[in-house]
Amino acid sequence: EAGVAQSPRYKIIEKRQSVAFWCNPISGHATLYWYQQILGQGPKLLIQFQNNGVVDDSQLPKDRFSAERLKGVDSTLKIQPAKLEDSAVYLCASSLSTSGSIAKTQYFGPGTRLLVL
Amino acid sequence: KQEVTQIPAALSVPEGENLVLNCSFTDSAIYNLQWFRQDPGKGLTSLLLIQSSQREQTSGRLNASLDKSSGRSTLYIAASQPGDSATYLCAVRARSGGSNYKLTFGKGTLLTVNP
Repeated sequence: EAGVAQSPRYKIIEKRQSVAFWCNPISGHATLYWYQQILGQGPKLLIQFQNNGVVDDSQLPKDRFSAERLKGVDSTLKIQPAKLEDSAVYLCASSLSTSGSIAKTQYFGPGTRLLVL
Repeated sequence: KQEVTQIPAALSVPEGENLVLNCSFTDSAIYNLQWFRQDPGKGLTSLLLIQSSQREQTSGRLNASLDKSSGRSTLYIAASQPGDSATYLCAVRARSGGSNYKLTFGKGTLLTVNP
């Protein structure tokens, strides 16, 4: 079974530029998550999708970050314009579902390492 | 707001030693707790998941315990090996509204096992 795929693996940009990350979840997984992991910190949830709908985006800086999952499969996360403090690893994860009484375990991709200069 | 704390932040031990990593959380209303491993430049790998009704889970040389009422969990690694060197993250899953659940992570413990 293929895991969660992410690209690119590394990205270096200058501040005020824009950048986009792509994620393809495990086949059949309805729930997709984007996390931001700053060096020395644990991952912080940015946004959660259930199919193509947003379930939780309370910690997404909406003035500069956006994400979409138009067909309920793969997803893109965009930053525009980027700031120095956006330097981090962006992790994508997927799970079968979070609905009902069973919270399914999340499977993580390798992440995209972003450096903003 | 749920906060997860992991102690120590870093740990260096000689090969073969048994060790304990600690995790504490502020809100005991959790659904489950999960321990992850993260290798440099890679994503997270789930090690053990303990449901809120359980006291412990074991997988090979790993044993995780949960004391939900006191907001504590420990990860015990027996007979450590250099290949165990990684960052270990603790995360609690709790309801975040409706039927949705959310993972809150600690900052992790960086473990180095020296040959």
